[in-house]
This record gives sequence, structure tokens and C-alpha cells, in this order.
Amino acid sequence: GAVVSQHPSRVICKSGTSVKIECRSLDFQATTMFWYRQFPKKSLMLMATSNEGSKATYEQGVEKDKFLINHASLTLSTLTVTSAHPEDSSFYICSARGGTDSNQPQHFGDGTRLSIL
Amino acid sequence: AQSVTQLGSHVSVSEGALVLLRCNYSSSVPPYLFWYVQYPNQGLQLLLKYTTGATLVKGINGFEAEFKKSETSFHLTKPSAHMSDAAEYFCAVSDQGAQKLVFGQGTRLTINP
Repeated sequence: GAVVSQHPSRVICKSGTSVKIECRSLDFQATTMFWYRQFPKKSLMLMATSNEGSKATYEQGVEKDKFLINHASLTLSTLTVTSAHPEDSSFYICSARGGTDSNQPQHFGDGTRLSIL
Repeated sequence: AQSVTQLGSHVSVSEGALVLLRCNYSSSVPPYLFWYVQYPNQGLQLLLKYTTGATLVKGINGFEAEFKKSETSFHLTKPSAHMSDAAEYFCAVSDQGAQKLVFGQGTRLTINP
């Protein structure tokens, strides 16, 4: 149980392109979803927290107009990197949690490796 | 604010030897503690968690961790390492009022044959 599917697993695109990444909870309802960015050999950096039906809460320093997050249903959240540039190249990981209790673990997708040429 | 410190960015053990990955946390309220494992180019998989109750927590793949409040620690152990345990391990802290997890910097575990 508690499977999170993230798609696509890898994206290579030209600078200036917008890229959408999907995160789906397959067998549970995800009240809260999280989006992380991970640099090589580094820990996860939380970008934003999204609750279903609400606007996402962005961490300090994360541009909300650059990284658009939509959480329209209890099983789907999307991250759109708008007008991507080479510095946006990274490994992006989503996670989902059923319910609002923080003692419930986050379940992670397999990540999306984004490469901007 | 909460924080997590993982002592040792890289740990190397022989196959069959004891695995010990260290995690210390800082929290002003009772913490919730988690260990996750990450294999190359994948997301994170939950190994185990501590919220309340028994301080010795058993997880998947033979791992366990003990919550020691007096030492503010939550070290991860496994009696006998297997080659398949080679991965990156992350300790994380949260609490009852928090939405989000705070991760440590990670420890890369290498298993020598």
C-alpha cells in the first residue's frame, strides 16, 4: 500500500520550455503533497507544501511564479517549471501523506530528473 | 526550529558486519522521527518511524532504531549488513504541530564484500 507514482521519470528539454511533472497517490487519498528538489549528493530541499483545494505554501526563496503547483484532487498534484533554464536542472521528488497528522509518514515518488539544455 | 544532524556523510562496513548510522535531532517539542532509504535515481522509502510508545522501533529489511530522549538521538542499526543495503539513508524529524519533515544531510552506506 501507499504507492506514489511520479511521471515522467526523466525530461530533457530546451531552455525556455515549460515542464509539467505529475504526482499521483495510487491507493490512498493524499490530503497533503510535498515537492522537493535534490541536488547531487545533497539532501532534499522542500520547495512547497500543497493541500488539496488550497493554494500551495512555498518555502522561503522558492519562486511561486516559476514553480507552479496545483493540487486539484486528493490523488493528483502537479508541478510546472515555467520557462525552464539550465539552473533549474535537478532531481525533483514529490511525496504524499494521507490525512493531516504529521505522525503519518510521507510516501515518496521515484523522482523526476530534469535536464535543461 | 527543528534540525537533524547525521554524523558521518559516508559509512563503509563489511558484508555481515553491524551497521550503525547516527542521527541526532533538535526539537523543542516531542518529536516524530523517521528513517528513509534512497537508492540511486529513486525516491525515498520509509524504513521506520517513531511517534510515541515503545522507544525501540523495528522497520523493514532488518533495520531498527532506538529513540533516546536524554541523548536526543535516533540511531539506525542492523546486526548484519547485506550488499543490497548500499544506499543513501536520511533521518528526518517532525512533530505534532508541523506539516513538514526536516531532513538530515544523509549518510551514504557502502558495503564491502
